[in-house]
Amino acid sequence: DAGVIQSPRHEVTEMGQEVTLRCKPISGHDYLFWYRQTMMRGLELLIYFNNNVPIDDSGMPEDRFSAKMPNASFSTLKIQPSEPRDSAVYFCASRTSGGHTDTQYFGPGTRLTVL
Amino acid sequence: KNQVEQSPQSLIILEGKNCTLQCNYTVSPFSNLRWYKQDTGRGPVSLTIMTFSENTKSNGRYTATLDADTKQSSLHITASQLSDSASYICVVSFPLTGNQFYFGTGTSLTVIP
Repeated sequence: DAGVIQSPRHEVTEMGQEVTLRCKPISGHDYLFWYRQTMMRGLELLIYFNNNVPIDDSGMPEDRFSAKMPNASFSTLKIQPSEPRDSAVYFCASRTSGGHTDTQYFGPGTRLTVL
Repeated sequence: KNQVEQSPQSLIILEGKNCTLQCNYTVSPFSNLRWYKQDTGRGPVSLTIMTFSENTKSNGRYTATLDADTKQSSLHITASQLSDSASYICVVSFPLTGNQFYFGTGTSLTVIP
C-alpha cells in the first residue's frame, strides 16, 4: 500500500489566492483527519470525516477554511482567501473504524507558504 | 493553557545512551494516550497507544508508561541510535470515541555520535 498520499508537497502562493490541498487516504480506511502544524502551536486537528461525512469541524479556524470528502478515496482542504498566517504544514491522516485505539497513518504533509 | 505539556522542549544525547521524555496532561477523563515520532519533513508515526487502564506499552527500544493518578506519561528510549533523532509528540484523546485530541508541542531529540 502506498500509504496516505498528499499533494502538492509544497505550495507557495500570494495572500488572497485560493489554495486547495488534496489527500488520498489508505484504501479501506473510513476515518480521515486534517491537521495543521506550526512551530508555535504544534499539531492541531482541523476536521475529521467518517464514511465521507464531516463529524467534527470545530478545529477549522475560520470560514476561509473548508473541507470536503466527495468519496472514500479523496478529500480536499481549501483556503479561500489565503493569508500569511495560514502558512504551516498540513497533514492528512486516516484510520480504520476497528476501534478508537487504532493507529492513524499520516501522509507526508503539504508545506504551505503564503506570501 | 495547553492541557498537554511536554518536557524537555529539546534534548541532545550521545548515541547509545538512554533517555526519558515526559508528558503531563490535565485532560480528564480521556480515552487513550499516544506517543508519536516525527522525523524532519515527514508525518508523525505512531509509537505506542495506551488506554487509561494501561500502565506500560513497549515498541522495540521504546517504552511508554502511564500514571493516571498523577496524569503523567513518559517515553523511555533505550540504547539510542542516530535514527532516533526526531520530534516526539504526546497526544491525549477524549472522550470515549477517541477522536478529539489534545496535542503536546513535542520534544526535539538529537542523538549525536
